[in-house]
Amino acid sequence: DAGVIQSPRHEVTEMGQEVTLRCKPISGHNSLFWYRQTMMRGLELLIYFNNNVPIDDSGMPEDRFSAKMPNASFSTLKIQPSEPRDSAVYFCAILSPYTDTQYFGPGTRLTVL
Amino acid sequence: GDSVTQMEGPVTLSEEAFLTINCTYTATGYPSLFWYVQYPGEGLQLLLKATKADDKGSNKGFEATYRKETTSFHLEKGSVQVSDSAVYFCALSENYGGSQGNLIFGKGTKLSVKP
Repeated sequence: DAGVIQSPRHEVTEMGQEVTLRCKPISGHNSLFWYRQTMMRGLELLIYFNNNVPIDDSGMPEDRFSAKMPNASFSTLKIQPSEPRDSAVYFCAILSPYTDTQYFGPGTRLTVL
Repeated sequence: GDSVTQMEGPVTLSEEAFLTINCTYTATGYPSLFWYVQYPGEGLQLLLKATKADDKGSNKGFEATYRKETTSFHLEKGSVQVSDSAVYFCALSENYGGSQGNLIFGKGTKLSVKP
């Protein structure tokens, strides 16, 4: 079964602080996606990687956001500096080449005060 | 660009009622269509999918048929249960060289089923 671990599950920070969200796929995949969910905008793609290479980052809001995938087993999404409008649930998902289906992690709920 | 429109919620039903959640899409190519479900405090789980016109996806009593002529993928269930209470998302993904691209989601429809 495909699976994704995200950490932390909850993060509360103050405006201006750096935030790093982590994603660890625990099964085979060829693509990894970062999504953001808010009440106002719903689910939005931020960036996705194919074979560890960023393919589409047009959804990244601004330069304060950056994402890396140093290897197939790990990805990070960093916000520096964070702002209250960044408060949202951030999901990582992987695409299984066996089922051609995206599997989502449990999400990180970020609150920026 | 591609987009997904699904009916606004919330939807409140009594147990054993019939459920329909409407979903229509706009796409330039031949997308795959999906329904995902999100239970409170959890991530999204794939409920069902269809990859080409006239395909029917089904799972746990839920069904949806890929209708190219009406660009629709409505979700149905004949008899809902309290445990079906969740938020349901319709989504599409364009296919690139046989592989799925990123998902484009509708706004979500919250379903509450009362005993």
